[in-house]
Amino acid sequence: GESVGLHLPTLSVQEGDNSIINCAYSNSASDYFIWYKQESGKGPQFIIDIRSNMDKRQGQRVTVLLNKTVKHLSLQIAATQPGDSAVYFCAERGPAGLSFGAGTTVTVRA
Amino acid sequence: KAGVTQTPRYLIKTRGQQVTLSCSPISGHRSVSWYQQTPGQGLQFLFEYFSETQRNKGNFPGRFSGRQFSNSRSEMNVSTLELGDSALYLCASSTDGNTEAFFGQGTRLTVV
Repeated sequence: GESVGLHLPTLSVQEGDNSIINCAYSNSASDYFIWYKQESGKGPQFIIDIRSNMDKRQGQRVTVLLNKTVKHLSLQIAATQPGDSAVYFCAERGPAGLSFGAGTTVTVRA
Repeated sequence: KAGVTQTPRYLIKTRGQQVTLSCSPISGHRSVSWYQQTPGQGLQFLFEYFSETQRNKGNFPGRFSGRQFSNSRSEMNVSTLELGDSALYLCASSTDGNTEAFFGQGTRLTVV
């Protein structure tokens, strides 16, 4: 079936560097995508969203890019900080609610 | 503005029992969705309620049910608990189900 998934399960980043987390989706009918961050013991926290009529959206230190041609979504985090260490999920909103990828665990090295 | 509140935070139940979890959405949000999170299966959609009606349902057995009240608060019930039901159950609310969803802290259910 159609699903949302992430390319890499783990990502190790040096503090201060930029992070790029990737996500591939297969539901071409989906028109809304969200990135969430989940820290240990907490629920997922909304980071940023993007609709399919956009290619790029920027927030505070984060940028989401959407490439509908290859069904690819990415989250860029500028100047990664220790507090960015968490599991990051991309989610696609379809007819049956949000479908989540498996998540990428980001570890920030001091 | 208060966030999504889930109660209780932790629960331990034995096999065969039933359990009810509660979710209070952000004020003004009418859509409430429930998810099950396990290490092996990740985040899986259970169901969504909007204006007291179940609008969407995931691929879970009938032992999993829910409801939503007129004040948008929602409950989910799991009957005849199995060991495999041990998970973090997350509730998310949004204004209409088509915008960003905000999650609660979750209820950690352990079935022994």
